Amino acid sequence: DTEVTQTPKHLVMGMTNKKSLKCEQHMGHRAMYWYKQKAKKPPELMFVYSYEKLSINESVPSRFSPECPNSSLLNLHLHALQPEDSALYLCASSQVKEGAGHYEQYFGPGTRLTVT
Amino acid sequence: KNQVEQSPQSLIILEGKNCTLQCNYTVSPFSNLRWYKQDTGRGPVSLTIMTFSENTKSNGRYTATLDADTKQSSLHITASQLSDSASYICVVSEGTGANNLFFGTGTRLTVIP
Repeated sequence: DTEVTQTPKHLVMGMTNKKSLKCEQHMGHRAMYWYKQKAKKPPELMFVYSYEKLSINESVPSRFSPECPNSSLLNLHLHALQPEDSALYLCASSQVKEGAGHYEQYFGPGTRLTVT
Repeated sequence: KNQVEQSPQSLIILEGKNCTLQCNYTVSPFSNLRWYKQDTGRGPVSLTIMTFSENTKSNGRYTATLDADTKQSSLHITASQLSDSASYICVVSEGTGANNLFFGTGTRLTVIP
C-alpha cells in the first residue's frame, strides 16, 4: 500500500468555525508533513512530524494546530481561519531521513479548503 | 541561497509530440532531485528520483536527466498524451541532516488534440 489518504476532499468553512483535516498512511513511514499550496504556486511546508513528535514548525499561525495521534495518522485542526487561508492542503509521508540517505515523500490527494 | 527554477512556466503541445522541461538549481549540498507530476487540485505524484551519481532515469515515456556539474535537470516526455496535461514540479533535496526540500514553481503542460 503506497497510498496517503486525506479527508475531506473539499471543505468550506466560515471564519468562526472549527474543523479538522485528516491524513492517513499505512506504509510504516515515521515522518509526516503538512503543506499548503496556493493556486499556481509550489507547496509550502507547514509542519513536520518525526516519530510522532513535531520537529519542524515553519512559523505557522496558531490558528493551525497539528496533531499526530499515532504513527499512521496526522491531523490539522483549524480555528478562526482567514479567507487568505483558502488553499489546497497536502499531507505527505516518508521514511525518516538518517545520515546521507535519501527518501521519497508520498503525497496525498489534498483537501481543497475554502474559508468564507 | 537555495533555489530551484523551472522553465518554461507553461507549455502547449500537440498530442503525440515530444517536449522537454528544464530545471536549474542552486541547492547545496545536493542530495537528490525528483520530478513530480501534479494534476490540478491533486497531490504531486513522483515520476523519477536521481542522486548525484545518476545522470539518466526513465519511467515509461518520461526520461529525466541530471548534470550535477552544471546543476541542471531536464524531463523529456515522448509521444505526449492528453493525460500528460498537468504541472511538473522539480524538487531538490538538500544533503544536510534536515528534511529540506526545495520546490520549483513548476511547468504547466497542456496537451491538445
